[in-house]
Amino acid sequence: SAVISQKPSRDICQRGTSLTIQCQVDSQVTMMFWYRQQPGQSLTLIATANQGSEATYESGFVIDKFPISRPNLTFSTLTVSNMSPEDSSIYLCSVVWGEGGYTFGSGTRLTVV
Amino acid sequence: ILNVEQSPQSLHVQEGDSTNFTCSFPSSNFYALHWYRWETAKSPEALFVMTLNGDEKKKGRISATLNTKEGYSYLYIKGSQPEDSATYLCAFRGSQGNLIFGKGTKLSVKP
Repeated sequence: SAVISQKPSRDICQRGTSLTIQCQVDSQVTMMFWYRQQPGQSLTLIATANQGSEATYESGFVIDKFPISRPNLTFSTLTVSNMSPEDSSIYLCSVVWGEGGYTFGSGTRLTVV
Repeated sequence: ILNVEQSPQSLHVQEGDSTNFTCSFPSSNFYALHWYRWETAKSPEALFVMTLNGDEKKKGRISATLNTKEGYSYLYIKGSQPEDSATYLCAFRGSQGNLIFGKGTKLSVKP
């Protein structure tokens, strides 16, 4: 399976600021996925990032709030913009490998104060 | 709106106990059911990907069953150990391809 390096592992940010989360994969993958888990909630898909095209966002998530970059087949970033306490969550990136299995990064635990 | 339910929300057992959790999911447009084990500050670890009704899979002391007609899967842990303490997630994959996760079952195993 692919190995994903995700940074930062955690951060505490002031409201109104932005944080960029990075994921580096050790092999080339077509699609990368970004998830969020708010406290007490399910892991929820934010968007799918394809190399060379704009990310596809799920209902309830918009590009202005969560801009995504996918400059090549091994790297992607997610930015959480103009943060509020409601953005406090664990953010995970993920890729598909093999027979439909998903590999995840180790997550970014974000606290907005 | 597709809904994936997991129960119980949390579970506390003694070392050596056997335990099981439930995942309920939509019985229509089924493609696969995934189980993950997620320890704090680590990546969710894939346990099983199950696709066929009646499937039973085993990995060491952990096993899972699948009933796609009624929309449920069970995860069993035999002889729980403290290192089994984690959150266990199930995820439904429908024909659209996205994973839809339950909220997880948090297992704590006391020595």
